[in-house]
Amino acid sequence: AQSVTQLGSHVSVSEGALVLLRCNYSSSVPPYLFWYVQYPNQGLQLLLKYTSAATLVKGINGFEAEFKKSETSFHLTKPSAHMSDAAEYFCAVTPGNTPLVFGKGTRLSVIA
Amino acid sequence: SQTIHQWPATLVQPVGSPLSLECTVEGTSNPNLYWYRQAAGRGLQLLFYSVGIGQISSEVPQNLSASRPQDRQFILSSKKLLLSDSGFYLCAWNLRTGGRSPLHFGNGTRLTVT
Repeated sequence: AQSVTQLGSHVSVSEGALVLLRCNYSSSVPPYLFWYVQYPNQGLQLLLKYTSAATLVKGINGFEAEFKKSETSFHLTKPSAHMSDAAEYFCAVTPGNTPLVFGKGTRLSVIA
Repeated sequence: SQTIHQWPATLVQPVGSPLSLECTVEGTSNPNLYWYRQAAGRGLQLLFYSVGIGQISSEVPQNLSASRPQDRQFILSSKKLLLSDSGFYLCAWNLRTGGRSPLHFGNGTRLTVT
């Protein structure tokens, strides 16, 4: 069965600093991978997705993620954090024929 | 464009009372539909999903049930709420094109059982 591990339940960065949110997955077949963002008391919004095309995926709001099969990772990055990036971020995986499995989430705080 | 509506936004119910949360999708046909529950620090737990009218798969045995009376309507119910049913409930949909179709979420229902 597939699973997702998000390292760090809380990450804090300074405004303008690099954002790095870690995601490692386990899947018995080539996976589809997703990153979502959630603002307080709202649903989840898709940031980006990997569906076996380019390994470097660009998403909304300046975020990107790189699929590394050898490391079973799909880390999310943004070169320069903005105050509006403060939110909770979820990594999710599916082999394609079953519903998405989500990680426990990483709360990102941005310090002015 | 497709939209998903979920209501109510917040709900406070006493222990032992019934529950009905509704979700509808507009602008698409034959979607897959999902109910997730979110508890603090525990990520999203898949409760139910449906690939068609009357077809419900339950992921976790519990005090809840789901129904899909119409193609774009998904209902989450309980006959008697427990304290442990408190949480943030999210409805979602995606296309029937396999895993590459991302989930689209509603704005959620915050349920507090007192």
